[in-house]
Amino acid sequence: NAGVTQTPKFRVLKTGQSMTLLCAQDMNHEYMYWYRQDPGMGLRLIHYSVGEGTTAKGEVPDGYNVSRLKKQNFLLGLESAAPSQTSVYFCASSRTLSDWAKNIQYFGAGTRLSVL
Amino acid sequence: AQRVTQPEKLLSVFKGAPVELKCNYSYSGSPELFWYVQYSRQRLQLLLRHISRESIKGFTADLNKGETSFHLKKPFAQEEDSAMYYCALSDNTDKLIFGTGTRLQVFP
Repeated sequence: NAGVTQTPKFRVLKTGQSMTLLCAQDMNHEYMYWYRQDPGMGLRLIHYSVGEGTTAKGEVPDGYNVSRLKKQNFLLGLESAAPSQTSVYFCASSRTLSDWAKNIQYFGAGTRLSVL
Repeated sequence: AQRVTQPEKLLSVFKGAPVELKCNYSYSGSPELFWYVQYSRQRLQLLLRHISRESIKGFTADLNKGETSFHLKKPFAQEEDSAMYYCALSDNTDKLIFGTGTRLQVFP
């Protein structure tokens, strides 16, 4: 049982380049999230999804786009990378609409992105 | 606005000493609070939640609505407790609000 899988694990980009981070979960979870983790800033929510075909903005959505075409996958895109997007990105998922379950988030291992 | 504050970036203790990681929140409704932990080279994972009122790995946390706090405590720290700890708040929407985290270092 892989849980939440993020690809790639590491990436170096030049300013202006684009890339897509993939998050895949095999737990049939409804909710999925993308966070960035920066020193002294903690975890900040970029975008999230409450189900297939839905997305919503989080705290820091600018410069990112997301898609949830399949329930198990949540893609995070950077159209034109900037040095300020250098960070560690985490994907998470959680269970269904039950209030008890939805706040237990399961995290991926992270993607370390450097934008030069 | 909802906010979670963890005032200490780093907390260093010796093995066997008591530990208290502070967490304060601001939320006008009835909050649900969590502690998540990230051990070295491992994924972030749920440690405990206030509604469960349980002790995990010797850690406990009590919700104090009067002081708007949810401090994490352990009477005797172990070296394996060294990790990054995040306090999180659910404001009854579809997401969690995380604090900035406290790194706990337990020296032998």
